[in-house]
Amino acid sequence: QSVLTQPPSASGTPGQSVTISCSGSSSNIGSHYSYWYQQFPGTAPKLLIYRNNQRPSGVTDRFSGSKSGTSASLAISGLRSEDEADYYCAAWDDSLSGRVFGGGTKLTVL
Amino acid sequence: EVQLMESGGALVQPGGSVRLSCEASGFTFSSYVMNWVRQAPGKGLEWVSYISSSSDTIHYADSVRGRFTISRDFANNSLYLQMNSLRAEDTAVYYCARDDALDVWGQGTMVTVSS
Repeated sequence: QSVLTQPPSASGTPGQSVTISCSGSSSNIGSHYSYWYQQFPGTAPKLLIYRNNQRPSGVTDRFSGSKSGTSASLAISGLRSEDEADYYCAAWDDSLSGRVFGGGTKLTVL
Repeated sequence: EVQLMESGGALVQPGGSVRLSCEASGFTFSSYVMNWVRQAPGKGLEWVSYISSSSDTIHYADSVRGRFTISRDFANNSLYLQMNSLRAEDTAVYYCARDDALDVWGQGTMVTVSS
C-alpha cells in the first residue's frame, strides 16, 4: 500500500486531455513539493514535473503539474500515442523521513 | 553529458550481501544529494536511501534500515549501496538518482535474491 494514492489506470483518445491525481497527507504533499515521473517499460523513470509545477528543460508544455492542499495533479493535454506510459507522483514525507511514491498510473491512449 | 551508471547487480542467496556502485559523470558530484530507488519486477517505484552532498545526512526506508548502507566517494565520483542480510523481497532493479528532484537516473542494475 503506497503512502501516496494514485488511480491505477487512466485513458484517453488522441487529442484529449487527461488528469492523473495523487492524494497524500499533511506530512508529505501538504508540506513539501510534489514531483512527477514518466516511465516506459524496461527503461528508467524520467522527471516530468518538479516543485509542484515546474517542467525540466526538454519536457513539452503539454504536461503540467499542480498542487492543492494535500493533493497533486498531473495534466496532459493534446494526448498522443507516445504518452502511453506509467506515471508516478512523489514527495518527501516528514513522518517517514524519506521520499514516498504513489503506486503509479498506467496511461493508455485508445 | 550528465550521466549515472550503476553496476554490481547479481544473483545472491538469501542472507547474502552485494555492493552496488553508481558512477557519476558530467556534473559536480559533490554538489548534489544522491538517492537509491528500486523497482521490484512488475511493481512500482520504492525509494531506498538518501545521502546529502557532504554525507552528513543519511536516510533509509524502513524496509532496509539496519541492513543497507549508503555511502559516497568524492575522489571517484561514486555512490554506493552495501546490501546485507538480503531477502527475497529485495529482488528489484536498483537505480541511483540525483538531487531531491531525482532529475537524473541511471539505467539500473538488477539484484535477484534467490536460492
